[in-house]
Amino acid sequence: AQTVTQSQPEMSVQEAETVTLSCTYDTSESDYYLFWYKQPPSRQMILVIRQEAYKQQNATENRFSVNFQKAAKSFSLKISDSQLGDAAMYFCAMDEGNTPLVFGKGTRLSVIA
Amino acid sequence: NAGVTQTPKFQVLKTGQSMTLQCAQDMNHNSMYWYRQDPGMGLRLIYYSASEGTTDKGEVPNGYNVSRLNKREFSLRLESAAPSQTSVYFCASSEVGQGPFGGYTFGSGTRLTVV
Repeated sequence: AQTVTQSQPEMSVQEAETVTLSCTYDTSESDYYLFWYKQPPSRQMILVIRQEAYKQQNATENRFSVNFQKAAKSFSLKISDSQLGDAAMYFCAMDEGNTPLVFGKGTRLSVIA
Repeated sequence: NAGVTQTPKFQVLKTGQSMTLQCAQDMNHNSMYWYRQDPGMGLRLIYYSASEGTTDKGEVPNGYNVSRLNKREFSLRLESAAPSQTSVYFCASSEVGQGPFGGYTFGSGTRLTVV
């Protein structure tokens, strides 16, 4: 069964600094999709970035980038130039394509001014 | 605005009461999902519907029932609410069967408290 593990329940970062959130996963599939979602206090689930497993190039979206290590089954999120608005709960998630999205337990990120 | 609409946003129930959470999407997505979010547990799948006319159990289905009323609507029913069902409930939808090509679109959630 697919599993997603986020080992950091809480993280903090100084404003303008860089922070990396960790995620590992387990799957028997060779093709799958990985996601990072942001959940601010408003509770809305916002897609931050996604990575297709068959692509070797790491995805980037402005200040957000991932380090995708397929062999190690690792998918970390790097937030550069952290802003106060980045403070939120971040969820790593995986979709094997034939089963619904599976989420990790989340990492709460605080940004210190 | 296009998206997933959940009602209600907040609800307080007494133990043993029943209620139905409503969800509707206007993106013509095939698949719809119900998740619950509890502190320290992430989002866990309750039920999903891969297409109109089908429903399947997820990780935590006990105490819940669902109805895929049509392609747009997917409701979640609590027949006899229990305090363990206190949670935030999210409905979501996706396109291309269960595929993630368009990503999942989530509703704004329902905070349910059972006393």
